[in-house]
Amino acid sequence: GAVVSQHPSWVICKSGTSVKIECRSLDFQATTMFWYRQFPKQSLMLMATSNEGSKATYEQGVEKDKFLINHASLTLSTLTVTSAHPEDSSFYICSARDAEREIDEQFFGPGTRLTVL
Amino acid sequence: AQKVTQAQTEISVVEKEDVTLDCVYETRDTTYYLFWYKQPPSGELVFLIRRNSFDEQNEISGRYSWNFQKSTSSFNFTITASQVVDSAVYFCALQLIKAAGNKLTFGGGTRVLVKP
Repeated sequence: GAVVSQHPSWVICKSGTSVKIECRSLDFQATTMFWYRQFPKQSLMLMATSNEGSKATYEQGVEKDKFLINHASLTLSTLTVTSAHPEDSSFYICSARDAEREIDEQFFGPGTRLTVL
Repeated sequence: AQKVTQAQTEISVVEKEDVTLDCVYETRDTTYYLFWYKQPPSGELVFLIRRNSFDEQNEISGRYSWNFQKSTSSFNFTITASQVVDSAVYFCALQLIKAAGNKLTFGGGTRVLVKP
């Protein structure tokens, strides 16, 4: 149980295009999902917290108009990188919180590698 | 604010050697969780352990062991008799239990290279 998937697993796009990344909790309901970004040889940095049915909360320094987050259902959150540029190339990882578990846990997706040419 | 420090950026060992990864954390809260994750080259995070701040008992799981010392705010991780498959980046993380949002704060990671 507690499986989180991401789609696509990797994507290459041209500069200026928009890219959508999906994060799904497959066997549980996730009221909260988190989006992280990881540059090569660096740690995971939290970008935003996504709550089902409400606006996402962005961390300081993260442009909300550039990284659009939608959490329309209890099993799906999407991150759209708008007008992507080479500096947005990174590994994007989502995690989902299973609120029904006795101990609050986050389960991580396998990540999406974005390359912007 | 919370902070997690992994002072070792990279450790290289020969197979069968033991390797200890250091993790020091900072928080004013008294209730929190500490985690260790493994990130192999594929990129997917693998959960290794969660420790509650009230439980200072050390834990052993196979070749893995963890030493939690609240007095020094450290949560160190030892791999005994390392194997090539242990090569990965290891992250220590902190999560406040009472904080809104239940965010995870990650350390910088330690890259472990186990040579045959």
